[in-house]
Amino acid sequence: EPEVTQTPSHQVTQMGQEVILRCVPISNHLYFYWYRQILGQKVEFLVSFYNNEISEKSEIFDDQFSVERPDGSNFTLKIRSTKLEDSAMYFCASSEGVGGELFFGEGSRLTVL
Amino acid sequence: AQSVTQPDIHITVSEGASLELRCNYSYGATPYLFWYVQSPGQGLQLLLKYFSGDTLVQGIKGFEAEFKRSQSSFNLRKPSVHWSDAAEYFCAVVPYSSASTIIFGSGTRLSIRP
Repeated sequence: EPEVTQTPSHQVTQMGQEVILRCVPISNHLYFYWYRQILGQKVEFLVSFYNNEISEKSEIFDDQFSVERPDGSNFTLKIRSTKLEDSAMYFCASSEGVGGELFFGEGSRLTVL
Repeated sequence: AQSVTQPDIHITVSEGASLELRCNYSYGATPYLFWYVQSPGQGLQLLLKYFSGDTLVQGIKGFEAEFKRSQSSFNLRKPSVHWSDAAEYFCAVVPYSSASTIIFGSGTRLSIRP
């Protein structure tokens, strides 16, 4: 069964460092998403991406964040200068179309020290 | 404000007992509705979804949910829980106006009493 894969599964970084989280969405999906979940809290929407551009983003997705689809398969989330409060589990997801089921990866846990 | 509300933060039920997890939404039009489950340290798995049609939807693992427009609710039910059902359950919606972004409720943690 096709699945969304994310790397790394866990990354520890120092405050102020740049981090890139990688995702390989399901191959025939057109919409891509990043969500995050701070430990013990709800899953929060960060950004959605379609047709090589951001379609929606939340207040959390400020200038420190960026997304890119550098090739035909990867979808990346970059945090330019990490802060302690960026520590969270980051989930990538993809869907075939608008309003469709989102398929989630298993997440990348980011720990900022 | 538009929102998804799961009023129960934590529920404990005995193994074999029935379960109902509550979810309410406040959006002008009927959104698309989902329930996801998250086991400890795992990603999110879709249990079931409602787009239109029959308001009682069946999902995986013996779960079902009923959409009630008059109550703006989409409660998740299971007639007999198993110890393996212990997890975090998230109700989620795709607002009609957004149409591409899923919004999650705050989650309900389910514990199973042996």
